[in-house]
Amino acid sequence: AQSVTQLDSQVPVFEEAPVELRCNYSSSVSVYLFWYVQYPNQGLQLLLKYLSGSTLVESINGFEAEFNKSQTSFHLRKPSVHISDTAEYFCAVWDTGRRALTFGSGTRLQVQP
Amino acid sequence: NAGVTQTPKFRILKIGQSMTLQCTQDMNHNYMYWYRQDPGMGLKLIYYSVGAGITDKGEVPNGYNVSRSTTEDFPLRLELAAPSQTSVYFCASRRGTGSGNTIYFGEGSWLTVV
Repeated sequence: AQSVTQLDSQVPVFEEAPVELRCNYSSSVSVYLFWYVQYPNQGLQLLLKYLSGSTLVESINGFEAEFNKSQTSFHLRKPSVHISDTAEYFCAVWDTGRRALTFGSGTRLQVQP
Repeated sequence: NAGVTQTPKFRILKIGQSMTLQCTQDMNHNYMYWYRQDPGMGLKLIYYSVGAGITDKGEVPNGYNVSRSTTEDFPLRLELAAPSQTSVYFCASRRGTGSGNTIYFGEGSWLTVV
């Protein structure tokens, strides 16, 4: 079964600084990758996804992720974070067998003023 | 604009009690899911359904049961609650065609077993 690993459980960063949240996936012939965000006491919302085509995918609020097949990575980046970006971020891979998402353990992004 | 609705939002159960977490979606999605979220563990799939009348086990099904009698509803039943079932439970749904279709989540149900 496919899996993803999020290497950092917490990432503290100052406002307006750049950030990278790391995600590595288990290698497969084809892979669909997702980033979800969870704000405090809320459900998960899709941030962006990679299905095929361009390896760089972007979200509407300034995040981007790059699919890197040689390094089996799908890291999430933002050049300048805001306080409102404070949340937990989950990397996920599509499980073709169960037709469901398999999630990483999450990274808590804490943006400080 | 309801999406995926879960009830109750909070519940405290005593060991050995039973309860049902309700989930309904109004998007006519074929696929529905139950996940549980434990601190530092991400989300684990409990059960899923690909359509009315069809359910299957996920990673962590022990201690739970589900049914899917309609497209809209996917209740999760806990029999003989145990402290290990203290968790946040999320129901989710997606349209059936295409692996890239977005999964939509409810707001979660916080369950404590004491």
